[in-house]
Amino acid sequence: EVQVLETGGGLIQPGGSLRLSCAASGFTVNLNYMSWVRQAPGKGLEWVSIIYSGGSTYYADSVKGRFTISRDTSKNMVYLQMNSLRVEDTAFYYCARETFEGWFDPWGQGTLVTVSS
Amino acid sequence: EIVLTQSPGTLSLSPGESATLSCRASQSVSNYLAWYQQKPGQAPRVLIYGASRRATGIPDRFSGSGSGTDFTLTITRLEPEDFGAYYCQQYNNSPRTFGQGTKVEI
Repeated sequence: EVQVLETGGGLIQPGGSLRLSCAASGFTVNLNYMSWVRQAPGKGLEWVSIIYSGGSTYYADSVKGRFTISRDTSKNMVYLQMNSLRVEDTAFYYCARETFEGWFDPWGQGTLVTVSS
Repeated sequence: EIVLTQSPGTLSLSPGESATLSCRASQSVSNYLAWYQQKPGQAPRVLIYGASRRATGIPDRFSGSGSGTDFTLTITRLEPEDFGAYYCQQYNNSPRTFGQGTKVEI
């Protein structure tokens, strides 16, 4: 079965750092496009970052320079390193595979990041 | 970036009724549009891609239509498990963007 599972969320103070992990099964991350999408509580979905099969990475303007997406092909995992966290980064963070056409499937269950003092 | 506007914000319906959800793009996305369902506490799951193609395992009471800037998701014969939030997403341009969602409630 093709699935992803996120871990690593938690409560962090503004200015702090956190690394989210996404474990993939049923497919190989380095042959696919892997994204992070976030959702503030009670709000809509916002694309955050993508790492393409070739290794290129892209970020939403709201996180550029603060977040870094990476992958470990030996572990079949994707990561999101989040630095200089802000209160407005509080959200559920979902790992999702972007299909080669451009929609997202599958999605993980999400991990909650709360940035608060 | 392309802005997607969904309407209405909330639909209050009963099981057995039909739901019509709208998604309008700020510029043409051709047919590169997907629809997702999200139930409380769960991750989104794709229902429709290519504006009108049902994803694997999605019942035929879900149908999508439209192209260019105007799209519709229709749910006929609402089942209790169909209640939740629905989002459209365009993948004609990067960054991928989502609509703000329509909540279908009882």
